[in-house]
Amino acid sequence: AQSVTQLDSQVPVFEEAPVELRCNYSSSVSVYLFWYVQYPNQGLQLLLKYLSGSTLVKGINGFEAEFNKSQTSFHLRKPSVHISDTAEYFCAVAQRDDKIIFGKGTRLHILP
Amino acid sequence: GAVVSQHPSRVICKSGTSVKIECRSLDFQATTMFWYRQFPKQSLMLMATSNEGSKATYEQGVEKDKFLINHASLTLSTLTVTSAHPEDSSFYICSASRTGDGYTFGSGTRLTVV
Repeated sequence: AQSVTQLDSQVPVFEEAPVELRCNYSSSVSVYLFWYVQYPNQGLQLLLKYLSGSTLVKGINGFEAEFNKSQTSFHLRKPSVHISDTAEYFCAVAQRDDKIIFGKGTRLHILP
Repeated sequence: GAVVSQHPSRVICKSGTSVKIECRSLDFQATTMFWYRQFPKQSLMLMATSNEGSKATYEQGVEKDKFLINHASLTLSTLTVTSAHPEDSSFYICSASRTGDGYTFGSGTRLTVV
């Protein structure tokens, strides 16, 4: 069975500072990995995804993530955050075309 | 890119009535769609997998007679919350999978049962 662990429920960061949101997964087979962002009372927006190929994945809004198979991690990073990045971030894992399993989410709180 | 439309975005209904939520893939065919439920400040919990032309597969603990799922075409899946009660109030989100491209989510439906 697959599972996703987001180690931090909340991450406070000063504006223009870098941020890393941590995600670890467990699976016995090859998986797809995703990061989604959710703004209040809205659906999910895909930030980036890893399906295969290069382990460094670049997404929208300046975010990137690196797939590390040996550490079973897929941490999300941004070099300089903005107030508009305040949101809930979900890491997710899925097998090909199978159901997607979400982590519990990390609330990114940008401090002025 | 792939687009999934979910309707309605918000619905308020009286306790005991039924509510139907639609999920459409606008520019691709989705043989499989997924329905999630999200309580405030919590993660998304998978409710069921909707398969075109066959019965949905429900996750453990989800009442299939209460949450009716129909996937009658390759672009439409519906979730009907039957005899809704206040505890069914939640945010419901659908998603569709396009082979090789990952998953696209609808914008969600906020259900409030009064």
